[in-house]
Amino acid sequence: EPEVTQTPSHQVTQMGQEVILRCVPISNHLYFYWYRQILGQKVEFLVSFYNNEISEKSEIFDDQFSVERPDGSNFTLKIRSTKLEDSAMYFCASSELVNNSPLHFGNGTRLTVT
Amino acid sequence: DQQVKQNSPSLSVQEGRISILNCDYTNSMFDYFLWYKKYPAEGPTFLISISSIKDKNEDGRFTVFLNKSAKHLSLHIVPSQPGDSAVYFCAARVTGNQFYFGTGTSLTVIP
Repeated sequence: EPEVTQTPSHQVTQMGQEVILRCVPISNHLYFYWYRQILGQKVEFLVSFYNNEISEKSEIFDDQFSVERPDGSNFTLKIRSTKLEDSAMYFCASSELVNNSPLHFGNGTRLTVT
Repeated sequence: DQQVKQNSPSLSVQEGRISILNCDYTNSMFDYFLWYKKYPAEGPTFLISISSIKDKNEDGRFTVFLNKSAKHLSLHIVPSQPGDSAVYFCAARVTGNQFYFGTGTSLTVIP
């Protein structure tokens, strides 16, 4: 069964550094998402992306965050200057371009900011 | 802004019995509801969904019930198996593509 893949599985970075989290969505999916889950908290929506542009974003997704689809397969989340509170599991997801299509998640990248 | 709530952080059930996981929501504009299962160190896995025009959807051992008047969603697993032990998230979507997740319920099925 096709799956969403994310790399790396764990990223440790120092506060103030830039990180790029990578995702390869399912190949025939056209909607892409980033979610995050801070330890012990709920899964939170960050951003959705369709047709090479952001379609929705949450309050969390401020100017420090950006997304990109640099080629036909990758979907990246960049955090320009990481803060301690950015430490979380970051999940990429994708869905088909049909009504009532569920999100399919990757296994996540655990980001630790020290 | 907790639009989707799972008030039970944990649930323990004997193998073979029914597991009932509950979810409440506040936004009457939600039109699509889902349940996800999550094992440690893995991403959420889609289990079952229901459109707001239905009140029940069944897939094998899993049944989702939707009570729109009460703004309540539940997942029934019967019979429960030890492999069902995981964290279960409910999620809901307003027309569009932003999904809101609950905080999860950790289910333990005791052999």
